[in-house]
Amino acid sequence: QLQLQESGPGLMKPSETLSLICSVSGASFSSHNHYWGWIRQPPGKGLDWIGSISSGGNTYYNPSLKNRVRISVDTSKNHFSLNLNSVTAADTALYYCARQTINSRWDVFDAWGQGTVVTVSS
Amino acid sequence: DIQMTQSPSSLSASVGDRVTITCRASQSISSYLNWYQQKPGKAPNLLIYAGSSLQNGVSSRFSGSGSGTDFTLTISSLQPEDFATYYCQESYSSPRTFGQGTKVEIK
Repeated sequence: QLQLQESGPGLMKPSETLSLICSVSGASFSSHNHYWGWIRQPPGKGLDWIGSISSGGNTYYNPSLKNRVRISVDTSKNHFSLNLNSVTAADTALYYCARQTINSRWDVFDAWGQGTVVTVSS
Repeated sequence: DIQMTQSPSSLSASVGDRVTITCRASQSISSYLNWYQQKPGKAPNLLIYAGSSLQNGVSSRFSGSGSGTDFTLTISSLQPEDFATYYCQESYSSPRTFGQGTKVEIK
């Protein structure tokens, strides 16, 4: 059974670099139909897609964050990572990792981690 | 970016009611529209994909319709476990965008 689990620092200071890891079990990273994504949810607000990566390392990012974000994958460890630099209070959110299943007819986030809270505060 | 607008933002309904939530895209997205349910403290869960296809394991009281710019999520007979927030999401272009959510509350 596919499981995703986020891990990260919890509390950060402004200007620091956020690093999160999503550990994946029960699935192979090698599938051509799957990307692996990050989505965040500010407190009391909706969902914002951050970016996604294929097992081969192809990435695409939300332009609103493009200059600050990097997603990478380590297939040997079955995990993928999010780095977001120069964080501010606006980056305070619940961060989810998710599997993105893609084919010619649909493109969905069909499995999610439980989320990890990141708070940016001085 | 494609803007996704849901209506209403919230609604109150009773168990057994038929509930309809609307999602409008700022440009045509064909049928590249998904619906998710999110309960408090939980991750979103995929309900409907490609506009009208029911995800495996999801109750048949959920249905989706629409194409182009206008889409609908219908709950045929609201159950206690359906009180949650519902999000539409387009998968037509990048960046992937979500609607602002519709909170379904108990009347």
